[in-house]
Amino acid sequence: AQSVTQPDIHITVSEGASLELRCNYSYGATPYLFWYVQSPGQGLQLLLKYFSGDTLVQGIKGFEAEFKRSQSSFNLRKPSVHWSDAAEYFCAVVSNSNSGYALNFGKGTSLLVTP
Amino acid sequence: GAGVSQSPSNKVTEKGKDVELRCDPISGHTALYWYRQSLGQGLEFLIYFQGNSAPDKSGLPSDRFSAERTGGSVSTLTIQRTQQEDSAVYLCASSLDREDTQYFGPGTRLTVL
Repeated sequence: AQSVTQPDIHITVSEGASLELRCNYSYGATPYLFWYVQSPGQGLQLLLKYFSGDTLVQGIKGFEAEFKRSQSSFNLRKPSVHWSDAAEYFCAVVSNSNSGYALNFGKGTSLLVTP
Repeated sequence: GAGVSQSPSNKVTEKGKDVELRCDPISGHTALYWYRQSLGQGLEFLIYFQGNSAPDKSGLPSDRFSAERTGGSVSTLTIQRTQQEDSAVYLCASSLDREDTQYFGPGTRLTVL
């Protein structure tokens, strides 16, 4: 089954610094990729998604991600992090076409933002 | 508008008891998914409903788990003879159609003692 790997369990950045969260996918054809954020006590919220077309995808809250087929990556970036960005971030891929668009999630990266 | 709602928000039960978890999807959404989030396994897909079609149960971990969706709207996930390893947050998501964005509910935290 299609899967994603998030190599970093925890990331700490200073407020105002840039951020890059890594995601690698394992799939032969062009995958359908997503980034979700989960704040403490909150549900999962979609930041952005990639199906096809332009490989640089803009999302909400100032986030963007770039699909790189040569590196099997879909890294999430933000130029300047705010304290409110502290949360758990999940990369996901559509697992298989028989389950609708059921998502296969990575283990998540926990982001801590320091003053 | 109203998002996906789930009830109860928290459920504590004893090992061996049956539990029912409810999901109210966004009105008009034809696709509905159940996921489970646990410390050991992360986020896992459980079951998928599309309209009135037969559900895809490929993610259900055992035959103790079942789900139904009445009238193409509300869904109930039932866990029979609960075990401690069933302790997790159960998330429901709905989307307008199968390829549209999934909107997640706040989840039901299940604790099996």
